[in-house]
Amino acid sequence: GEDVEQSLFLSVREGDSSVINCTYTDSSSTYLYWYKQEPGAGLQLLTYIFSNMDMKQDQRLTVLLNKKDKHLSLRIADTQTGDSAIYFCAEGWEAGNNRKLIWGLGTSLAVNP
Amino acid sequence: ETGVTQSPTHLIKTRGQQVTLRCSSQSGHNTVSWYQQALGQGPQFIFQYYREEENGRGNFPPRFSGLQFPNYSSELNVNALELDDSALYLCASSLAGGPETQYFGPGTRLLVL
Repeated sequence: GEDVEQSLFLSVREGDSSVINCTYTDSSSTYLYWYKQEPGAGLQLLTYIFSNMDMKQDQRLTVLLNKKDKHLSLRIADTQTGDSAIYFCAEGWEAGNNRKLIWGLGTSLAVNP
Repeated sequence: ETGVTQSPTHLIKTRGQQVTLRCSSQSGHNTVSWYQQALGQGPQFIFQYYREEENGRGNFPPRFSGLQFPNYSSELNVNALELDDSALYLCASSLAGGPETQYFGPGTRLLVL
């Protein structure tokens, strides 16, 4: 079945690194995504990784993918108060022309001054 | 900002009524996906439209229907509203043929009384 799991809460101090973890079950995923949602706002695409990669770095963000364990993580370096938000992991699923994203419940990141 | 717009931003309806939500996709995108996000949950896939045809559907009853127009904008229609339909409805546009990188609008918050 299709399932994406994340821990629900993470609290860090400003300036520390944050690591948000995600596990998924569908090994046929093509891409894996991280989205950010701030209170009252829509979803903002942060980054994505192709399923045959194991790492992607984009400024303060580092995505690590362990395909064997179906584990995805997002590391935010030098976390700032503006990073406080809910972070969603999603896997991209395709069957022919039928494509969709399967989402986790989101990890609420609180950054304390 | 993603260039995806949705209207209205907020809506209040009563049980049994019908509602139409609208979405304009980002320029150049030909695929629109609709999601329902209940409070404290991740987005749930409703359906996707590509070239004016439904291109995949999640676990939602037939009273959830949609349209895509030649300019790739889209509507979500919900008939016979129920209290549990209260949620944030998100529209995302993407370009078929590439990674399923979806860009989200700000959402329409629907309250059913």
